[in-house]
Amino acid sequence: AQSVTQLDSQVPVFEEAPVELRCNYSSSVSVYLFWYVQYPNQGLQLLLKYLSGSTLVKGINGFEAEFNKSQTSFHLRKPSVHISDTAEYFCAVSPGNYGQNFVFGPGTRLSVLP
Amino acid sequence: GAVVSQHPSWVICKSGTSVKIECRSLDFQATTMFWYRQFPKQSLMLMATSNEGSKATYEQGVEKDKFLINHASLTLSTLTVTSAHPEDSSFYICSAIGTGSVSNQPQHFGDGTRLSIL
Repeated sequence: AQSVTQLDSQVPVFEEAPVELRCNYSSSVSVYLFWYVQYPNQGLQLLLKYLSGSTLVKGINGFEAEFNKSQTSFHLRKPSVHISDTAEYFCAVSPGNYGQNFVFGPGTRLSVLP
Repeated sequence: GAVVSQHPSWVICKSGTSVKIECRSLDFQATTMFWYRQFPKQSLMLMATSNEGSKATYEQGVEKDKFLINHASLTLSTLTVTSAHPEDSSFYICSAIGTGSVSNQPQHFGDGTRLSIL
């Protein structure tokens, strides 16, 4: 079975400051890794994904994430946040069958302050 | 491309009524659709997986007679909450996996339906 941990339930940060949202996972098999963003009363939008290859993955809206196999982590970063980045962020893993059997983390609420 | 539309976006109804939520893939064929439930300030919990033309596979603890899923075509899946009660109030989100050019994304999510049972 897989599990996903997002250590920070809430992260407040001032506008234009850098931010890192942490994600750790547990799995006995290889997994694919994803970050999704959810704005209020909306579904999920894919920010980026790691399938294989380079461990540094760049996504939309200036976000990037780095896969660290030894630490089983997939932390999300952005060098300078905007007010519009305020949202809920979910880390997810998908073992084996691509796109199936998603396991989501509990989410991190990013609040960007003016 | 690869848009998933959910309808309605918000519904309020009395306890005991049944509510149907539609999930449509607008510009691609969805071979598999998923239904999730999300409680306030919590993550998504998978309720069931449905493949076109076959019965849905429900996750452990999800009542199949309570949450009826029909995936009658490659572009439409419906979730019916039967005899809804206040504890069924939640945010329901569907997602779909497509074929061909859209398969580079793992799942395409709808915008969700907020269900409030009075």
